[in-house]
Amino acid sequence: GQQVMQIPQYQHVQEGEDFTTYCNSSTTLSNIQWYKQRPGGHPVFLIQLVKSGEVKKQKRLTFQFGEAKKNSSLHITATQTTDVGTYFCAGRRSGGSNYKLTFGKGTLLTVNP
Amino acid sequence: DGGITQSPKYLFRKEGQNVTLSCEQNLNHDAMYWYRQDPGQGLRLIYYSQIVNDFQKGDIAEGYSVSREKKESFPLTVTSAQKNPTAFYLCASSIPLAGQETQYFGPGTRLLVL
Repeated sequence: GQQVMQIPQYQHVQEGEDFTTYCNSSTTLSNIQWYKQRPGGHPVFLIQLVKSGEVKKQKRLTFQFGEAKKNSSLHITATQTTDVGTYFCAGRRSGGSNYKLTFGKGTLLTVNP
Repeated sequence: DGGITQSPKYLFRKEGQNVTLSCEQNLNHDAMYWYRQDPGQGLRLIYYSQIVNDFQKGDIAEGYSVSREKKESFPLTVTSAQKNPTAFYLCASSIPLAGQETQYFGPGTRLLVL
């Protein structure tokens, strides 16, 4: 079955440092989504990427979708304590069910003030 | 105030007991989902429903059952056949949009086995 691998599993940074998490799929994706889950909370949708090579920005967050539509990354510039949480990628397999997302295991980001 | 509600927030189950987790949404979404989250793990799909009176098994459906009698409600029953039920259970909903729909999650229910 489809697998979505995410690295690193954990990342601890000093406030102000940059952070990147990477997501790789075993199959070609029709689109990929990113979610953030604060400690003790539930996942909240951040963004969706659809096109090959797509890059989207949300303030200090930059999201990329690979040319082959099998990998993606999330980069945070100058982290803040409010960025703490687990970041998940979730991919929808190309040609697969429109309703089924496969989630990576997430990257837990902690920020030292 | 639109959203997804899950109850209870915490649930304790005895060995051999069935328990039902509630999920209600007033977003008028057609599709609903149940995920299980274990510590340090991603979300694994248990069941999903595209429309009322229809549902499909996800990746880890064994030991679980669902019903979708109303658009707003998608309860999940954790049966005694589920040997390791302790986890965080998340319900989500979405509007079909040509395979690009995003999922909106409820606050979750933490199930603990006594």
